[in-house]
This record gives sequence, C-alpha cells and structure tokens, in this order.
Amino acid sequence: SQTIHQWPATLVQPVGSPLSLECTVEGTSNPNLYWYRQAAGRGLQLLFYSVGIGQISSEVPQNLSASRPQDRQFILSSKKLLLSDSGFYLCAWSPRPVSGPQHFGDGTRLSIL
Amino acid sequence: DAKTTQPNSMESNEEEPVHLPCNHSTISGTDYIHWYRQLPSQGPEYVIHGLTSNVNNRMASLAIAEDRKSSTLILHRATLRDAAVYYCILSGSNYKLTFGKGTLLTVNP
Repeated sequence: SQTIHQWPATLVQPVGSPLSLECTVEGTSNPNLYWYRQAAGRGLQLLFYSVGIGQISSEVPQNLSASRPQDRQFILSSKKLLLSDSGFYLCAWSPRPVSGPQHFGDGTRLSIL
Repeated sequence: DAKTTQPNSMESNEEEPVHLPCNHSTISGTDYIHWYRQLPSQGPEYVIHGLTSNVNNRMASLAIAEDRKSSTLILHRATLRDAAVYYCILSGSNYKLTFGKGTLLTVNP
C-alpha cells in the first residue's frame, strides 16, 4: 500500500532562518506531488505542485520554493522565513490519471518567532 | 476554477443519516466532484469522488444531480468520528484542488 511521510511534525523557527520540509511517498511511482499551507482558521492554499522530477509549478508568489530531486521526494524550502510563513504545511500525492484523489500527510505545524 | 457553495455548518445526531449539500452551478464537463474531510490538526482525508454517476464506497455515497450543478454527500449512519469539516471541490485537468471553507459537521451523541 502507499504511504506518505512528512517531517518534522512540529517546528519552531526564528524569523530570518532557513527552512527545509521533506515529504516522501512510498508504494507508488511517478505520483503528482503537492504542497499546501493552512493558516490558522483558514482553508488550505495550494503552494506548489509537481508532475515529475524537476517539474515544479508555483501557485502563490512568496519567499518559499519547492524542489523534487527524486520521483517520490518533495521538498519545501525557504532561505529566510517571515512571520507570515507560520501555518500548517501539508504534503499530498495523487496517482495518475489526474482525476485520482489526493492523499495527505500528517502535516508540519510551523511557528515563526 | 469553478467554485462550490456549501453551508457553513450542519448538525446531526449519532446513527442518523447525514446529507451534506454542495452547489456547483458553473461546473464544466470535465470537472470531477471530490469530497474531503478534515479533523482538527490533521490533514484532509479523501472521502469520495465522481463525475456523472452516483458513487458508493465504504465511507459514504455521492449523489450527483442530473445537470451536475449540485451534489450531495451522504453519510448513512453518522458516528462521533464523522465530526469534521467537509469540503466539496471541483477538480479539472489541471491537477489542482481549491479548498473553500467547507461545512463543519457536528454530530450529537
């Protein structure tokens, strides 16, 4: 069966520090991969999605970036965190074809101090 | 992206059926209708999806109107564990799911 791993579960970082969140999927190949953010009391916002290695589409301009160095690995990064980057970050994957459901990880709760 | 309209909240009693409505009058012919639910501090969980025909799975049923401008998620016997925010989302060929505010379902014991 397929599983998605996301870590860390919680993270507290100072303003201006770098960020790296990692997500890996097991049990499938060539998945679509997604990064979402959910700010406190708000809905999920799609940040990035990827349909293959090295292929990243950005949905929201910001100081975050994403990379997909391997087929089942998706990384969310920032060089300098802002207070507004606080939130609940979720990674998700979906099988092909594109109508397939998305399956979410357990999320990372990021607090910026 | 085509938008959906859902009630902000609904309430049900345990072991009774629940019908969660969703309006999507601007749906296109290639849009799938997805339902997800989210418990506090957890990632969304896929519930069900469909295109034109009604769908059933172990979690719920999805009833789609003939003109596809509305749909209803049916939980046949609500349990306390079904209390969550339920999202109705349209997904086309661009891989993206746009989450709205959803419906907060409260289940009373």
